[in-house]
Parts: sequence; C-alpha cells; structure tokens
Amino acid sequence: GEDVEQSLFLSVREGDSSVINCTYTDSSSTYLYWYKQEPGAGLQLLTYIFSNMDMKQDQRLTVLLNKKDKHLSLRIADTQTGDSAIYFCAEESEGNSGYALNFGKGTSLLVTP
Amino acid sequence: SAVISQKPSRDICQRGTSLTIQCQVDSQVTMMFWYRQQPGQSLTLIATANQGSEATYESGFVIDKFPISRPNLTFSTLTVSNMSPEDSSIYLCSVSTGGYGYTFGSGTRLTVV
Repeated sequence: GEDVEQSLFLSVREGDSSVINCTYTDSSSTYLYWYKQEPGAGLQLLTYIFSNMDMKQDQRLTVLLNKKDKHLSLRIADTQTGDSAIYFCAEESEGNSGYALNFGKGTSLLVTP
Repeated sequence: SAVISQKPSRDICQRGTSLTIQCQVDSQVTMMFWYRQQPGQSLTLIATANQGSEATYESGFVIDKFPISRPNLTFSTLTVSNMSPEDSSIYLCSVSTGGYGYTFGSGTRLTVV
C-alpha cells in the first residue's frame, strides 16, 4: 500500500513543546491514531482522532487533523525526558483482510535536559 | 481495553528452525492481527486471524512461512518457519477492541543466528 509519511527524528529541550507531523494516505480513514513505543516495549495507544474532528486535546497532547491535506500532527506540551520514544502515526485502512492499521515509519523523539 | 499476553518476549533461534509465538487475550475478540517490525522500520501487517476461518495474508506474506492458528476467540499463534537471519524482527499481535482502538501485545523480539 501507499506510505504514511513521518519525519524520522526530532530533538527538543525539556520543557519545550514537541510537534510531530504525519501525512496519511487513505482519505476514507475513520480514525487516525498516535502510538508510542519506548525502547524494548510494545506499542502504547496515546490518542486518536475521529475523522470528522479537526482538533482533540487530551492533557499535554493536542492532535490536529487537516483532512483536505491529509495531514495529522501531535503536539506534546511541556515535553519531559520520559517522553523520549518513537511515535507512530497510523491510519485505519482497508487491506486484503478487512480494516487494519497502516503505520508510518515512526518519529524518534529525543528530549534533552 | 483488552489486555494481551504475548510470549515469548524474546528468543534467539538457529537458522532453519521454527518458532511459535502465542497471544492470549483477556476477553473475546473477533479479529486478531499479526505485525512484523523489522529493525528500524515501521510495523507491517502480516495477516488477520478470525476464529473459525483461515487467516488472511497481506501481500508478501504466505501461509507456508507464517502459519497462524486461531482456535478460539481469546488465543492465536504465529509460527515463523524455516527461519533465516532476515526474519530477525519484532513480531506483535494486536486486537481490535471495537469502536476505536487497537491494543498491542508487548512483542516478541526474534534474533535468528
């Protein structure tokens, strides 16, 4: 299938905001997701947004969705060293076997003191 | 959301052998998914497993190499057969929790030597 695109690396200082961008491919996706993967761990669902919304806020996380441009972003306010991880954008799209997640390559976020 | 127990968490295997990975879910789910995450890469869907039917494989994956069982609504196995070093990856199972959200197991880190 087509690729979900993300920038590969982002480095921020502790206390600053982080913005991770994603361009997805399936305009019919109902839900779009952000997952976090810490070293040696599985995937943790951070947040999601329904396709008829353009913004969702959840504590330090803000998701922005631009359906026209198929652009999704995740903003982390007051970034902490514990936020250092890989962040995956994912769209729910239909493949050979029904609906499943199509992931970007992940953005590696490094938070420095 | 569902809780998934995946095992083994890691293994080192000789080339030419096979490894079976197990996923146990704490609730009944219709669809279970198996993903592969190659080093430094994103997650790629291998197949979808529904109880009572053959698994459906994505392009590039075949049943002879990755046989899947789904004997009931809470359990599935993925076997990586006749392994080569190129099979060294993290393998993750996932379930759809309905409505929204996909939960992931903690992954199996496979190294083939």
